[in-house]
Amino acid sequence: GNSVTQMEGPVTLSEEAFLTINCTYTATGYPSLFWYVQYPGEGLQLLLKATKADDKGSNKGFEATYRKETTSFHLEKGSVQVSDSAVYFCALRGRTNFGNEKLTFGTGTRLTIIP
Amino acid sequence: DTAVSQTPKYLVTQMGNDKSIKCEQNLGHDTMYWYKQDSKKFLKIMFSYNNKELIINETVPNRFSPKSPDKAHLNLHINSLELGDSAVYFCASSRDRVDGYTFGSGTRLTVV
Repeated sequence: GNSVTQMEGPVTLSEEAFLTINCTYTATGYPSLFWYVQYPGEGLQLLLKATKADDKGSNKGFEATYRKETTSFHLEKGSVQVSDSAVYFCALRGRTNFGNEKLTFGTGTRLTIIP
Repeated sequence: DTAVSQTPKYLVTQMGNDKSIKCEQNLGHDTMYWYKQDSKKFLKIMFSYNNKELIINETVPNRFSPKSPDKAHLNLHINSLELGDSAVYFCASSRDRVDGYTFGSGTRLTVV
């Protein structure tokens, strides 16, 4: 079945540091890939997405490129801020064995940015 | 505001009780979902409905029963609540396979 593997957290960085959160996936066919962010006490918000190989999703200074050859979708940001502190989820949307689509999440990576 | 809204936000109840969580979306989406997030933040799909029809049921105890009166609503009823049911439950909706899901803000269920 489909699966998503994220780097384990927690990740702690200083403000203005460079961020990378690794994500790799296993899926049949051509899934769509997503990054979601969950701020403390809130629901999940879509951060960015990519629907086909070599697409780059970007939003709020974050970006990720759909790499089919390495089955990866790593999240990057050049200069993080304290307000970026949250839990980040990599996800893919593929087809189940019964042909229905669902969003499969990685385990989440907690990011803390210190001033 | 266009959104996915779920109520209540917090629910504290005793073991053995029956409770319901309601979800409504005004985005015009055809598909709705229930996800469970455990204490380690792991998210797992429970159910999915498309135009009031159940399309995904992921090995969830039959104490959990989703009900979709129309495509804008997907409620979750839980019978005989157990301690292990304590979690945050998220409702979500989507338009098509390209878009991501839009999530509600969650219902934190605590069974004591």
